[in-house]
Amino acid sequence: GQQLNQSPQSMFIQEGEDVSMNCTSSSIFNTWLWYKQDPGEGPVLLIALYKAGELTSNGRLTAQFGITRKDSFLNISASIPSDVGIYFCAGRNYGGSQGNLIFGKGTKLSVKP
Amino acid sequence: NAGVTQTPKFQVLKTGQSMTLQCAQDMNHNSMYWYRQDPGMGLRLIYYSASEGTTDKGEVPNGYNVSRLNKREFSLRLESAAPSQTSVYFCASSDSVAGFFGSGTRLTVV
Repeated sequence: GQQLNQSPQSMFIQEGEDVSMNCTSSSIFNTWLWYKQDPGEGPVLLIALYKAGELTSNGRLTAQFGITRKDSFLNISASIPSDVGIYFCAGRNYGGSQGNLIFGKGTKLSVKP
Repeated sequence: NAGVTQTPKFQVLKTGQSMTLQCAQDMNHNSMYWYRQDPGMGLRLIYYSASEGTTDKGEVPNGYNVSRLNKREFSLRLESAAPSQTSVYFCASSDSVAGFFGSGTRLTVV
């Protein structure tokens, strides 16, 4: 089935740093989604991207839908402690299986000790 | 707005016991999903329902059954729980774009 490769798996951030993560796939997606999961909670939608090349911001978060429709990235600028959590990318393909919503394995953001 | 509601939030089962995880959404979505989340494994799809009356297997369906009771409710049943089913379970519903998640059920099988 379709799979998303999300990287990095984990990263440490220091307050004020910019953060970047990405997802790639061998398949084309019609929609890319980015979620954040806080401890003990379900994932919450951050940004939805609808067409190739689209660049969308939500506060300090910026995400882009890759031109090839096979990748997406998420940037967080000037990170703050509450940014820690697990970030998931998800691809939506209306013609595919698995319920048409495929998730990456997540990028875990932690604060540098 | 309740969104997606899951019950229970926590459960401990003995091996071989059965139980049903309940999920309800109030967003009038056609599609509903059950995922399990294990450390380092991300979200793995167990079953999904594209519309009322239909269900399909996902990536890891073995040991589970589902029922789409009506448009609002999608339940997940473990007939004979095994320690390998210790996990956090999430229900989600989606519109044509995005999925919306419940807060999860943390299940431990001893």
